[in-house]
Amino acid sequence: DTGVSQDPRHKITKRGQNVTFRCDPISEHNRLYWYRQTLGQGPEFLTYFQNEAQLEKSRLLSDRFSAERPKGSFSTLEIQRTEQGDSAMYLCASSLGGQGRETQYFGPGTRLLVL
Amino acid sequence: AQSVTQLGSHVSVSEGALVLLRCNYSSSVPPYLFWYVQYPNQGLQLLLKYTSAATLVKGINGFEAEFKKSETSFHLTKPSAHMSDAAEYFCAVTLNQAGTALIFGKGTTLSVSS
Repeated sequence: DTGVSQDPRHKITKRGQNVTFRCDPISEHNRLYWYRQTLGQGPEFLTYFQNEAQLEKSRLLSDRFSAERPKGSFSTLEIQRTEQGDSAMYLCASSLGGQGRETQYFGPGTRLLVL
Repeated sequence: AQSVTQLGSHVSVSEGALVLLRCNYSSSVPPYLFWYVQYPNQGLQLLLKYTSAATLVKGINGFEAEFKKSETSFHLTKPSAHMSDAAEYFCAVTLNQAGTALIFGKGTTLSVSS
């Protein structure tokens, strides 16, 4: 069990550029979540996968955001035409089975700064 | 809709003193409740969780929390603070069903002085 990993850990980009983040969950976990955390706030849910199916998306996930989880393994989160308001920490979490009581294990996050 | 309120964005205690971090929740259905800790430049780590078994839940590093339905609270306590407890703490709620996202409070920063 190597934990949830995220890449890159930091990303600086210019407004209008596209960025892509990767998350590798714990290997046997079937559920994968993306959250966004801004300064002074708790994490906010963005989207959730069960295996390769994207089952839920938050209203926070604008059309500029897209997430994939091909083959139910790693996931990518892409932000197109970045805006300064997209600057935040993007957290990935994974979990295994259950009825909502399962623990979500978080990665270290990708910190995005849009200039 | 579910929500979590953490009273006090910043709590300061002396080493050896009682730690009390407050969390109140709102949920129309029986909730599951979680406390996570976040150290600087690290991801969130689960401290403990309530999943409708015992109302007094013991977690890692000497922390515990009590689920009080009548008060809609899930406060986190530790009898004696250590310097290493300094971090940000988040309370979260989720629904009693599969695959739902965690809804977090805004967090409480705990400072411990010697």
